[in-house]
Amino acid sequence: GAVVSQHPSRVICKSGTSVKIECRSLDFQATTMFWYRQFPKQSLMLMATSNEGSKATYEQGVEKDKFLINHASLTLSTLTVTSAHPEDSSFYICSARSSYTYNEQFFGPGTRLTVL
Amino acid sequence: GQQVMQIPQYQHVQEGEDFTTYCNSSTTLSNIQWYKQRPGGHPVFLIQLVKSGEVKKQKRLTFQFGEAKKNSSLHITATQTTDVGTYFCAGPGAGKSTFGDGTTLTVKP
Repeated sequence: GAVVSQHPSRVICKSGTSVKIECRSLDFQATTMFWYRQFPKQSLMLMATSNEGSKATYEQGVEKDKFLINHASLTLSTLTVTSAHPEDSSFYICSARSSYTYNEQFFGPGTRLTVL
Repeated sequence: GQQVMQIPQYQHVQEGEDFTTYCNSSTTLSNIQWYKQRPGGHPVFLIQLVKSGEVKKQKRLTFQFGEAKKNSSLHITATQTTDVGTYFCAGPGAGKSTFGDGTTLTVKP
């Protein structure tokens, strides 16, 4: 199946700093990428949908100025958590969707963010 | 908006027993997908069902899509310890997928 990578896999940062997470589709072109947040033992909470070359669509309640998403190419999307606070600590997962497999999403391995 | 509900939230079985998780949508779905997330891992796509009443099998896993395309089920026959994890269903809508809360399966050897 298609492969999606995420970097870094784990990051620990101080409160007030910004953290950038990269999501790459390695062997296919992803027309759409999704960013999710997952709390322990809970479901995936969709944060935003990003389409290559256009602005991301954020879900209700997600601050677009706090979670900056850039989808500059068909293989790369980035999520920047700005001025991180301890409550931003979570597991962030991206997924990518190909135009050839309309509904199937390929998930990245996730990034564990800990804000001290 | 669209809601996708899953039951049960947790299921603990003895190895060799069967397991079923149910997914219900508040709206009719054009298709439904199932994903598995192992502990500490990320969701992995299992299957997509499209047709009303569709039944698909993957070894010990049987997936069903309801006639009204508003519910679905995943049944595992004779569970093994490798089946542990959380199983999510997801229904499309407005260019994105809505995930159920998942059913976490634990298997006692």
